[in-house]
Amino acid sequence: DAGITQSPRHKVTETGTPVTLRCHQTENHRYMYWYRQDPGHGLRLIHYSYGVKDTDKGEVSDGYSVSRSKTEDFLLTLESATSSQTSVYFCAISISSGQGYHEQYFGPGTRLTVT
Amino acid sequence: KNEVEQSPQNLTAQEGEFITINCSYSVGISALHWLQQHPGGGIVSLFMLSSGKKKHGRLIATINIQEKHSSLHITASHPRDSAVYICAVRSNNNDMRFGAGTRLTVKP
Repeated sequence: DAGITQSPRHKVTETGTPVTLRCHQTENHRYMYWYRQDPGHGLRLIHYSYGVKDTDKGEVSDGYSVSRSKTEDFLLTLESATSSQTSVYFCAISISSGQGYHEQYFGPGTRLTVT
Repeated sequence: KNEVEQSPQNLTAQEGEFITINCSYSVGISALHWLQQHPGGGIVSLFMLSSGKKKHGRLIATINIQEKHSSLHITASHPRDSAVYICAVRSNNNDMRFGAGTRLTVKP
């Protein structure tokens, strides 16, 4: 499982409240990702990080911010949650498998419901 | 149109049947991944391939780079194979793009 944990695993929150999801890895991998998964859609990239304090936007970044102050932690924040952000959120890391290829390993997911 | 299309969306099979799930993509890629997501949500990587064919147990993955197409085959299917199978590609600019998944149910 590449030592990836996510917290919380489930959360119910109200519209307009701030929410922070945490992804923690134990193996000092450089690249970390946040995805959301919704019915009828593939996993969609929200933000990613390529090192401490180095982050960039993915295809669905509106309404989300991230921070990475330590190699092992990548935080995803919804500043003011909306019902459209109800989803399952997956954190992932990328590990080189040699010859220029990378495999992604996923955390267990966080189910977020915004009411 | 999604850059990664899977078919079928849903598939029900009887135990023992041979199963094929298809993936077509429209971007240049450096690698293609097949992932498995069980009820309960965890996602695990089954295969990463850039050419040819790979086999692991009862699972076989093939890719045709010229046709931009990959297939995942399951031989002698079993109810424990019931899961969502996801095709993902790593594009040439290093982005990952995911299909919407194929939900497989294998009945005893």
